[in-house]
Amino acid sequence: DSGVTQTPKHLITATGQRVTLRCSPRSGDLSVYWYQQSLDQGLQFLIQYYNGEERAKGNILERFSAQQFPDLHSELNLSSLELGDSALYFCASSPRPRTPHGSFGQGTRLTVV
Amino acid sequence: AQKVTQAQTEISVVEKEDVTLDCVYETRDTTYYLFWYKQPPSGELVFLIRRNSFDEQNEISGRYSWNFQKSTSSFNFTITASQVVDSAVYFCALSEGPGSGNTPLVFGKGTRLSVIA
Repeated sequence: DSGVTQTPKHLITATGQRVTLRCSPRSGDLSVYWYQQSLDQGLQFLIQYYNGEERAKGNILERFSAQQFPDLHSELNLSSLELGDSALYFCASSPRPRTPHGSFGQGTRLTVV
Repeated sequence: AQKVTQAQTEISVVEKEDVTLDCVYETRDTTYYLFWYKQPPSGELVFLIRRNSFDEQNEISGRYSWNFQKSTSSFNFTITASQVVDSAVYFCALSEGPGSGNTPLVFGKGTRLSVIA
């Protein structure tokens, strides 16, 4: 058990809709990372937060946004969903932004129909 | 720029055979971390190992072993006496170290291993 909790595990929604994915970091970790795994792009980094502030940004679409709350959980918001957004979304956490993270949450499988 | 190459897209072996998964990386940083993950059909990413660039010692954990060679920028993963439960997609990943602010992971495209009974 990585200690990183992601909900929901599965999500099915229609094109054009908006969804929110949630991640609770391992106890004591301040930094949260989001990754997307799609068939065509593979596993890629989306965005990182540290103690509520955005720390690094990867290939994240403008339709996607994230935030980290005072209790350190993070939410990834995906809007105007397209079929191509169907993917596995993973979250990871680390104690500090300069500490490499190892374990990931179980992921949220998003299916856009 | 960081890059991870897993040239083997798919490998199929018969149970009890040994198999090596290749990983070649590119980085300009002198401090970096290398990782291997297993992704079984259920989809989760299972952390297997993290190795920093200053530790070139090979590591063995049960049937798993890792060979880190800086000279060839490779971090290969060997499974000895493979079992059907080893069937999964395996990912190699790279994260640059404190000198670069510790960047998030860059993944290879993965190697799908099928172990046949």
